[in-house]
Amino acid sequence: ETGVTQSPTHLIKTRGQQVTLRCSSQSGHNTVSWYQQALGQGPQFIFQYYREEENGRGNFPPRFSGLQFPNYSSELNVNALELDDSALYLCASSSARSGNTIYFGEGSWLTVV
Amino acid sequence: EDQVTQSPEALRLQEGESSSLNCSYTVSGLRGLFWYRQDPGKGPEFLFTLYSAGEEKEKERLKATLTKKESFLHITAPKPEDSATYLCAVLPRGGATNKLIFGTGTLLAVQP
Repeated sequence: ETGVTQSPTHLIKTRGQQVTLRCSSQSGHNTVSWYQQALGQGPQFIFQYYREEENGRGNFPPRFSGLQFPNYSSELNVNALELDDSALYLCASSSARSGNTIYFGEGSWLTVV
Repeated sequence: EDQVTQSPEALRLQEGESSSLNCSYTVSGLRGLFWYRQDPGKGPEFLFTLYSAGEEKEKERLKATLTKKESFLHITAPKPEDSATYLCAVLPRGGATNKLIFGTGTLLAVQP
């Protein structure tokens, strides 16, 4: 087990709604990132947070947004949900002290109907 | 454009039958190459990071190697519990420190 915990594990939302996913990073890890993994695909980088600021973003629209808190935990918010947003959302954390190894949580399964 | 291609897409082995998974990559500059194992419905589990050509790392029945264009994950005498999807990812230089670029994975099935 990596120590990266995510909630909720599963959820179902309706198209057009908003969702918030949560992540607690591994102890001492100050960099948190979020990925989207569609069925049968590799994870795709959404964005990264360091010291409570977004400092890297993938090819995702602005309706994907996030926060990082002083305790390094993080949230992913998705507005105006679309059917194609149905996926496994993964949180990952790392720190320079742990050799920058990137550890993943178990993910949150989002189904948009 | 940074890219990762994994082959084969799927591999079926008999228990004890050794084989290799391939990860080919193109990247402007390589900060590191990562291997993960992913079980169905779970998050990726970290296996190895390789940083430079010629580097090798081992863990139980798994051995990862790296050249300037590709990486191999060698599986020696696999067991049914090694069945999983194996993901390869590169971390390019100069970008966000957690911005991994993944391949689509190799689905390994080991039959008893």
